[in-house]
Amino acid sequence: AQRVTQPEKLLSVFKGAPVELKCNYSYSGSPELFWYVQYSRQRLQLLLRHISRESIKGFTADLNKGETSFHLKKPFAQEEDSAMYYCALLTGNQFYFGTGTSLTVIP
Amino acid sequence: NAGVMQNPRHLVRRRGQEARLRCSPMKGHSHVYWYRQLPEEGLKFMVYLQKENIIDESGMPKERFSAEFPKEGPSILRIQQVVRGDSAAYFCASQTGRVDTEAFFGQGTRLTVV
Repeated sequence: AQRVTQPEKLLSVFKGAPVELKCNYSYSGSPELFWYVQYSRQRLQLLLRHISRESIKGFTADLNKGETSFHLKKPFAQEEDSAMYYCALLTGNQFYFGTGTSLTVIP
Repeated sequence: NAGVMQNPRHLVRRRGQEARLRCSPMKGHSHVYWYRQLPEEGLKFMVYLQKENIIDESGMPKERFSAEFPKEGPSILRIQQVVRGDSAAYFCASQTGRVDTEAFFGQGTRLTVV
């Protein structure tokens, strides 16, 4: 069963516009959720995790247990935000990744 | 700590040959994941291993693909009799195995089958 769903494969926004990358998860326990980012031709790297409740590069993500969502948001997109974004769920010791959303920020 | 090391970075194989991809996890990490990323596609889970054990191979094709993580040495993803459709980037990630810890990724191996 799909544990992590990222409904948008591609997302384009203009520079300076708000951006929201959607992530929904399926897990009955207490989830650990992460966002990873992959810039062009680089390795995936951790962007943020929900338990740290911090903002990285202007991005934030709030865990909504009622909606089982962990959407990634940024109020003003920058060109350097163009990348592939993956939402990930850690259950016990196993990571489940979504299929990713490719974000393009148009100058 | 050099991070997760994958080699080779690029691998070219002719159809029918074997491809062996190596992943050395970070020091102290006993859990390894393999993912495949097809061109213009997202990350697809293949297999999850702990030292000497395959925990979940539900994402791995039943034929031609195998993975191991021996007690000593790197994790190996092996693809026998490669076909053009196997061309992709293969990423390895490692984790300590302790609860709440993130996974760290290697830079990937880009396999091209000609």
